[in-house]
Amino acid sequence: GAVVSQHPSRVICKSGTSVKIECRSLDFQATTMFWYRQFPKQSLMLMATSNEGSKATYEQGVEKDKFLINHASLTLSTLTVTSAHPEDSSFYICSASPGQGSITEAFFGQGTRLTVV
Amino acid sequence: QQQVKQSPQSLIVQKGGISIINCAYENTAFDYFPWYQQFPGKGPALLIAIRPDVSEKKEGRFTISFNKSAKQFSLHIMDSQPGDSATYFCAATRYSSASKIIFGSGTRLSIRP
Repeated sequence: GAVVSQHPSRVICKSGTSVKIECRSLDFQATTMFWYRQFPKQSLMLMATSNEGSKATYEQGVEKDKFLINHASLTLSTLTVTSAHPEDSSFYICSASPGQGSITEAFFGQGTRLTVV
Repeated sequence: QQQVKQSPQSLIVQKGGISIINCAYENTAFDYFPWYQQFPGKGPALLIAIRPDVSEKKEGRFTISFNKSAKQFSLHIMDSQPGDSATYFCAATRYSSASKIIFGSGTRLSIRP
């Protein structure tokens, strides 16, 4: 299957700082990428959908100024958590889809564990 | 209408037994139903998926049964092994475009040796 690489896998940052998480599709062009947040023992919660070259679409209740998403190329999307606070500590997962009317299968990254201290 | 309901929340099965996880959906626009397996600290990985034009799909020890009229589908893991211990998520989406995937709440499966 296709490979989606997410970096870093773990990050610890101080409260008030910003953290950037990268999501790359290694062997296909990702028209659409999705960003999820997962709390312990819970399901994946979709945060936003990003399409290459356009603004991300955020789910209700997700602060777009806090979670900045950039999808500047067909193989890279980034999520920046700005002014992070302890409550932002979570497991963040991206997925990428070739889209374009073909199979809708989404390929997931390995996730990023963010801890804000 | 966007929800996918999954049960049970947790499941313990003896090695060699059959693990069964059930899901139900409401939105009839969904036409692609994947199952994902997630190990601790990892992203989910596609296990098996089905479209509603068939009632069953089997891949190795994993089988999806699909009941379109009841809007229900289930995952059966035959001859369950300790390595199958993971969290399983059912999901629903639309096949024809890169649509949002709606996840179930997850089932934590433990296989006892």
